[in-house]
Amino acid sequence: LAKTTQPISMDSYEGQEVNITCSHNNIATNDYITWYQQFPSQGPRFIIQGYKTKVTNEVASLFIPADRKSSTLSLPRVSLSDTAVYYCLVGDMSGAGSYQLTFGKGTKLSVIP
Amino acid sequence: NAGVTQTPKFQVLKTGQSMTLQCAQDMNHNSMYWYRQDPGMGLRLIYYSASEGTTDKGEVPNGYNVSRLNKREFSLRLESAAPSQTSVYFCASSETVAARGETQYFGPGTRLLVL
Repeated sequence: LAKTTQPISMDSYEGQEVNITCSHNNIATNDYITWYQQFPSQGPRFIIQGYKTKVTNEVASLFIPADRKSSTLSLPRVSLSDTAVYYCLVGDMSGAGSYQLTFGKGTKLSVIP
Repeated sequence: NAGVTQTPKFQVLKTGQSMTLQCAQDMNHNSMYWYRQDPGMGLRLIYYSASEGTTDKGEVPNGYNVSRLNKREFSLRLESAAPSQTSVYFCASSETVAARGETQYFGPGTRLLVL
């Protein structure tokens, strides 16, 4: 099974750029990399998704190197409302017709005023 | 359009009791999932249903059963609750199986305490 590794926690000051890296050495050829954000007492919500190179939306950027064994979520100019847990998700096929979805343990981002 | 809804929001059980967690989605999605979240463990997949009529085990299926009642509804049953099943349970759905890049939409969660 493809497993992911992320830093357990990160601190950042308001206005700074934050980069969170996820390692996924066993990513399968057809799998995408997806990042989710979770606030306390809420379900996770989608942030960004990519397959290779760079993806950018209104919230974040996602950088994926050519070997796809890692990915970096970049949050520009964070604010206090960005304090949350960020999860890296990589799909994994295990056996014919069977899919095992793997969440990282998440990175708790604390934004400091 | 309510998205993904879960009932109940909170439940207290005694060891050995049974209960069913309900989940429904109104986005016409084919795939649905049940996760549990424990402190420090992140989210772990219990069961998923790639499409109506099919279910498959995830990472931690022991002690649980599921039913894909129809395209909208996916229930999770604890036949004999144990304290180790105290957790927050999240239901999610996606257009197709999320391993191929589909975004998952999560419900608000059910907080279960087993005494």
